[in-house]
Amino acid sequence: DAGVIQSPRHEVTEMGQEVTLRCKPISGHDYLFWYRQTMMRGLELLIYFNNNVPIDDSGMPEDRFSAKMPNASFSTLKIQPSEPRDSAVYFCASSLNWYYGYTFGSGTRLTVV
Amino acid sequence: AQKVTQAQTEISVVEKEDVTLDCVYETRDTTYYLFWYKQPPSGELVFLIRRNSFDEQNEISGRYSWNFQKSTSSFNFTITASQVVDSAVYFCALCWYTGGFKTIFGAGTRLFVKA
Repeated sequence: DAGVIQSPRHEVTEMGQEVTLRCKPISGHDYLFWYRQTMMRGLELLIYFNNNVPIDDSGMPEDRFSAKMPNASFSTLKIQPSEPRDSAVYFCASSLNWYYGYTFGSGTRLTVV
Repeated sequence: AQKVTQAQTEISVVEKEDVTLDCVYETRDTTYYLFWYKQPPSGELVFLIRRNSFDEQNEISGRYSWNFQKSTSSFNFTITASQVVDSAVYFCALCWYTGGFKTIFGAGTRLFVKA
């Protein structure tokens, strides 16, 4: 398996623009997670899905953030409109179950200028 | 409230030294899971180990070993004979289930191994 695949690896965008981050989880993993990592706040869980259904989005910072998982092999995290404070590394991870270790993607480094 | 504390922000050692990374957690749940992850300079997060709250057996994997002690709420990680490739940020994490599961990560310990 190629692991969890995220795209793009880097994204630089202007404030106010829409940003879409993409993730392909490991086949057979029922859980998918979106995390954000910043120096100030460390690793934060934004949202997770179980069998394509969003279960807990309490970590999504604002309504500007939305996530979807239309099928078992694809998920998106969208920020609209983006702001400079959204600059961070966004990780997607998948897992067989909630208590298993996660397999993380390589992350998307987002810079909003 | 649940909490994970990694008090060591940075540790610097010379190659071949042994080093222990501390992790102290707080939880009122009786069932929980503890994890260690490694984040090398390349940036990806790599899962190292999982321990559930009912299994206090220590584990050894090559140069890595983990000591889980419920009495002190600690889950410490030791690298024996450290190598330059061990240089990374190491995160301890706590996962529990309360009407839905939650995971929190510690702030991480940055390990520098000098040649």
